[in-house]
Amino acid sequence: GDSVTQMEGPVTLSEEAFLTINCTYTATGYPSLFWYVQYPGEGLQLLLKATKADDKGSNKGFEATYRKETTSFHLEKGSVQVSDSAVYFCALSDQGGSEKLVFGKGTKLTVNP
Amino acid sequence: EAQVTQNPRYLITVTGKKLTVTCSQNMNHEYMSWYRQDPGLGLRQIYYSMNVEVTDKGDVPEGYKVSRKEKRNFPLILESPSPNQTSLYFCASSLGTKGKFNGYTFGSGTRLTVV
Repeated sequence: GDSVTQMEGPVTLSEEAFLTINCTYTATGYPSLFWYVQYPGEGLQLLLKATKADDKGSNKGFEATYRKETTSFHLEKGSVQVSDSAVYFCALSDQGGSEKLVFGKGTKLTVNP
Repeated sequence: EAQVTQNPRYLITVTGKKLTVTCSQNMNHEYMSWYRQDPGLGLRQIYYSMNVEVTDKGDVPEGYKVSRKEKRNFPLILESPSPNQTSLYFCASSLGTKGKFNGYTFGSGTRLTVV
């Protein structure tokens, strides 16, 4: 079945450092790809998405590019802030119409001042 | 404000005592789903509903029931809770139009402890 693999956390960075969180996927069809963010004590919020190969999703300084050849959707940010401390989830949705999201296990990011 | 509302936020109960976690959305979404989140396991789908009176099992349905009598509500029922159902639960909804899926809107979560 479909699956998502994220880099193991936790990740600890200093403010203004460059962030990369790796995400690779396995899917039989042509999935849409998502990054969700969960701040402490809150639900998940959609951060960005991409629906087809070579699409780049971006939001709040975060970016991820849908790479079909490497089945990847790595999350990047050029300069992280303390307020970016959260858990980040990569997810995919099969375009077959079930609307089920399959999530990675999450990567906890801590940004220190 | 467009949102998914879950209640309660926190619940401590005893083994075997039936409970219901409510979920309501005000966006006229067709699709609703329940997930549980556990450390090291990420989010796993329990049940989902494509529309009123249409529900189906997700990946971890054992010990849970759901119903979808109205479009806006999708309660999660634990008939006889056990300690292995201690978890953080999320309700989510989406528009449901095939081919235009843009991801879910999530509720704030319900932290359930079964002792």
